[in-house]
Amino acid sequence: AQSVTQLGSHVSVSEGALVLLRCNYSSSVPPYLFWYVQYPNQGLQLLLKYTSAATLVKGINGFEAEFKKSETSFHLTKPSAHMSDAAEYFCAVSEGGNTPLVFGKGTRLSVIA
Amino acid sequence: EAGVAQSPRYKIIEKRQSVAFWCNPISGHATLYWYQQILGQGPKLLIQFQNNGVVDDSQLPKDRFSAERLKGVDSTLKIQPAKLEDSAVYLCASSLGSGSGYTFGSGTRLTVV
Repeated sequence: AQSVTQLGSHVSVSEGALVLLRCNYSSSVPPYLFWYVQYPNQGLQLLLKYTSAATLVKGINGFEAEFKKSETSFHLTKPSAHMSDAAEYFCAVSEGGNTPLVFGKGTRLSVIA
Repeated sequence: EAGVAQSPRYKIIEKRQSVAFWCNPISGHATLYWYQQILGQGPKLLIQFQNNGVVDDSQLPKDRFSAERLKGVDSTLKIQPAKLEDSAVYLCASSLGSGSGYTFGSGTRLTVV
């Protein structure tokens, strides 16, 4: 069965600094991988997804993630943090077909002025 | 396109009472999901529908939770009777299919007192 581990329940960065949120997955087949963002009192919004095409995936709001099969990782990065990036970020995995998304526990990103 | 609609946004009930949540997915999305998100955790799948049939309800506490998707469009999730540990955000999502990602509604925040 697939699973996701997000390292660090809380990450704090200064405005303008690099954002790095870590995600490792476990899957018995080539996975589909996703990053979602959740602002307070809102649902989840898709940031980006990997579906076996290019290993470097660009998403919305300047975020990108790189699929590394050898490391079973799909870390999320953004070169320069903005105050509006403060939110909860979730990594999720699916094995395709009709298998549902399995989410990690989330990482709360704080951005300090 | 219109998003996934959920109602109500908030609900407070006493334990042992019953409650129902409603979801209207994006038009044309055959797959519909209900997730439970407890504070500080990632979303956990409760049930998955394909059109009006259940694909996966293995994590649905069937002694108290029930869900239906009449005519393959709207869906209702019911809890009867509610327990304190059911306090959570209930998220509905819909999808076109494998690898396309989910679109989430804003969720219903349930507080059981």
